[in-house]
Amino acid sequence: DAGVTQSPTHLIKTRGQHVTLRCSPISGHKSVSWYQQVLGQGPQFIFQYYEKEERGRGNFPDRFSARQFPNYSSELNVNALLLGDSALYLCASSLVWGLEQFFGPGTRLTVL
Amino acid sequence: LAKTTQPISMDSYEGQEVNITCSHNNIATNDYITWYQQFPSQGPRFIIQGYKTKVTNEVASLFIPADRKSSTLSLPRVSLSDTAVYYCLVGDHEDSNYQLIWGAGTKLIIKP
Repeated sequence: DAGVTQSPTHLIKTRGQHVTLRCSPISGHKSVSWYQQVLGQGPQFIFQYYEKEERGRGNFPDRFSARQFPNYSSELNVNALLLGDSALYLCASSLVWGLEQFFGPGTRLTVL
Repeated sequence: LAKTTQPISMDSYEGQEVNITCSHNNIATNDYITWYQQFPSQGPRFIIQGYKTKVTNEVASLFIPADRKSSTLSLPRVSLSDTAVYYCLVGDHEDSNYQLIWGAGTKLIIKP
């Protein structure tokens, strides 16, 4: 069975640009969460979606937005990129919120 | 908002039992407390999850006191392959917004 997939794996952008990151959950999983992980630090919660509704939001600026589609895949959008947005962006899926999360390999975003 | 505190690092030897404690206050009353393991360049991997008292699976045990203000991950008979970063994860509701809060991580080094 396929695990959580994310695309792209790596991305280089310049300040001020916009980026869209994509995540496909494990089949049957209805909850998707997004995290930002800076090298050497723990993951920081950005969003959680369940059944296409936003269930939770971390302390990130409004430049960060996300959505979940009817097939439960998800997109994370970041506008007006800053150098500090450079990080590994992780997507995780679970059957329902609160249960074991399965993580994708992440998207490495570099902002120059 | 809930806060979590974990030791930054721990050392142990092969075959020993390792206990890692995470302190967490103001966590959501209905949420699980979850622990993850992360190796370099990989996404976190689920270890164990519990609500209260003791939970045991094939790889670890989790002890949660009645007040749920801390949790202790116990790894029996560790091996070199258990060298990794370990995170506790809790949920919190603040101003009707749900957030997932990760600990800063405990870097566990197992020596031969």
